[in-house]
Amino acid sequence: QQPVQSPQAVILREGEDAVINCSSSKALYSVHWYRQKHGEAPIFLMILLKGGEQKGHDKISASFNEKKQQSSLYLTASQLSYSGTYFCGTRLILRDNYGQNFVFGPGTRLSVLP
Amino acid sequence: NAGVTQTPKFQVLKTGQSMTLQCAQDMNHEYMSWYRQDPGMGLRLIHYSVGAGITDQGEVPNGYNVSRSTTEDFPLRLLSAAPSQTSVYFCASSYGGGGVVGELFFGEGSRLTVL
Repeated sequence: QQPVQSPQAVILREGEDAVINCSSSKALYSVHWYRQKHGEAPIFLMILLKGGEQKGHDKISASFNEKKQQSSLYLTASQLSYSGTYFCGTRLILRDNYGQNFVFGPGTRLSVLP
Repeated sequence: NAGVTQTPKFQVLKTGQSMTLQCAQDMNHEYMSWYRQDPGMGLRLIHYSVGAGITDQGEVPNGYNVSRSTTEDFPLRLLSAAPSQTSVYFCASSYGGGGVVGELFFGEGSRLTVL
């Protein structure tokens, strides 16, 4: 079952902030964040492995709340280059085996305008 | 550095034809996977592999076969193409050690159209 992302889309002006949320009805064992530009492959942003972990570089950061089964991506003082679709991804444990189904949320389309 | 290489980049098939999408990585990654991306649907996992000789189904495996005879290669076979398989296909790899899927490196994608 895919993670759920919100919002589906957001439009910002340069310099504004945004938050993208990712949640799951199943336990999250780790969370990845990726950004995809139109016509290109997704690019890795960061991975959070432990509940309570927070990471960031430049003005993009993320948090992971394992108990709430959710993660949030924070984009601060957005730049034009931040435009794209953001995906969260996580490993699902299905059945009783040690599966490594790595699945993605449906994506959040971010548009940054001048 | 080559990273993850997918071929072909574009392909047009007729309904019922079969074909193989090739994927190769030169990073000695154990974990490899195939996704399809349709408009508004995000990335959906087709099949994945955690090492040579080991494959498993993902979310949408029907109509696709995979095998993993070497660490480097993970081809995706369409057995009898259908218009519903028109999509962009991405291959991805990761070190995948200790049950943790690390950073996924993606190929450039293969755009498949089935008429």
